[in-house]
Amino acid sequence: SYVLTQPPSVSVAPEKTAKITCGGDNIGTKSVHWYQQKPGQAPVLVVYGNNDRPSGIPERFSGSNSGNTATLTISWVEVGDEADYFCQVWDSGSDHVFGSGTKVIVL
Amino acid sequence: DVQLVESGGGLVQPGESLRLSCATSGFTFSDYWMSWIRQVPGKGLERVANIKNDGSDKYYVDSVRGRFTISRDNAKNSLSLQMNSLRAEDTAVYYCVRDRYCGTIDCFYFDYWGQGALVSVSS
Repeated sequence: SYVLTQPPSVSVAPEKTAKITCGGDNIGTKSVHWYQQKPGQAPVLVVYGNNDRPSGIPERFSGSNSGNTATLTISWVEVGDEADYFCQVWDSGSDHVFGSGTKVIVL
Repeated sequence: DVQLVESGGGLVQPGESLRLSCATSGFTFSDYWMSWIRQVPGKGLERVANIKNDGSDKYYVDSVRGRFTISRDNAKNSLSLQMNSLRAEDTAVYYCVRDRYCGTIDCFYFDYWGQGALVSVSS
């Protein structure tokens, strides 16, 4: 089965840049999607198709995908960005696969 | 605005049944595939089942196949999940979710999520 690997946490100071990685075998050949989940709330889609943003998501959120690593970048981090972030792909052998999530801590 | 509102969660004993419902609004329900995704508190996400826009095709994860049944009523804009023979490992928050397709190969994702319904299975 296909596995996505994320770091448990990433710490970042306000107004700095946070990079959240999502590792997978040849993930660069897949479409990666990212979700933000704040405590007690449902996930919210923040990036789809590697680097597209749904309406209403700030340009500060961007994505990239190459080789064995996809990355969600949050620029000019705000306190309100503190949340868990999950990556997700669709794999023909495993159906939808989610990463274990990365907690972004704003210092 | 798109809204997905789940109901029907609760505490049940192992072996019992529960039915989740999802009322939708703000979009043409019959145009979209829909899914149920669950999340064990503090853990990751797992797609449990999904259903084609016209109800003619359904998918289940192995761990629930034969016990859970997904269905929809396009006239009422509603999605359901009938859960039978519940087990402790089915304890999770269950989300009603709208499926999307990018248009490129293997590009499937979820663009709207309900607030979730907690299902607890314990003796």
